[in-house]
Amino acid sequence: SQQGEEDPQALSIQEGENATMNCSYKTSINNLQWYRQNSGRGLVHLILIRSNEREKHSGRLRVTLDTSKKSSSLLITASRAADTASYFCTLNAGGTSYGKLTFGQGTILTVHP
Amino acid sequence: DARVTQTPRHKVTEMGQEVTMRCQPILGHNTVFWYRQTMMQGLELLAYFRNRAPLDDSGMPKDRFSAEMPDATLATLKIQPSEPRDSAVYFCASGWSGQGFTGELFFGEGSRLTVL
Repeated sequence: SQQGEEDPQALSIQEGENATMNCSYKTSINNLQWYRQNSGRGLVHLILIRSNEREKHSGRLRVTLDTSKKSSSLLITASRAADTASYFCTLNAGGTSYGKLTFGQGTILTVHP
Repeated sequence: DARVTQTPRHKVTEMGQEVTMRCQPILGHNTVFWYRQTMMQGLELLAYFRNRAPLDDSGMPKDRFSAEMPDATLATLKIQPSEPRDSAVYFCASGWSGQGFTGELFFGEGSRLTVL
């Protein structure tokens, strides 16, 4: 399967704490992306990391990629109540499946004020 | 502010009726995706297009669903006849893909379909 699997399924933290979500996959990839979905809305792109990158930052977000372990993690630092959402990873596997972006069940993050 | 536009935002219909959902991708994007989201199944890929050509519609029930791109500014998803199990939120997303690289997707706000 070229779909990423997010872990944990749900995460509940207090405002100000850090949140870490993980994504595991089974194929070779060209890039991996993280998205956020607020309740009742469409998904919003957060960050893209290419297969030759190991870490990437965007504001309070830090994404790491370990292609040897076929895993990625998304770290949200100093979380806020507004970060409450579902988070998904998706990967571009390349080859004949290149461009086919599928999503797992996501991680539901709840940040308590 | 470029965005993906989906219509209708909400649709309530009776079983057996035809439903057509429309999507206007962002100008310049060459890939269009249709997803369906339910609580039970999560986000399922129904079909996707590159340069208006259908690349994969294996996630779509062929007997009742059809997806087309009549032109670069319009993608349609049709269900005929609709069934209660088709009740879901349908998302369209567009992006740019080329040279083995697929960039970020921009999602519309979705079309919430209820089939009674």
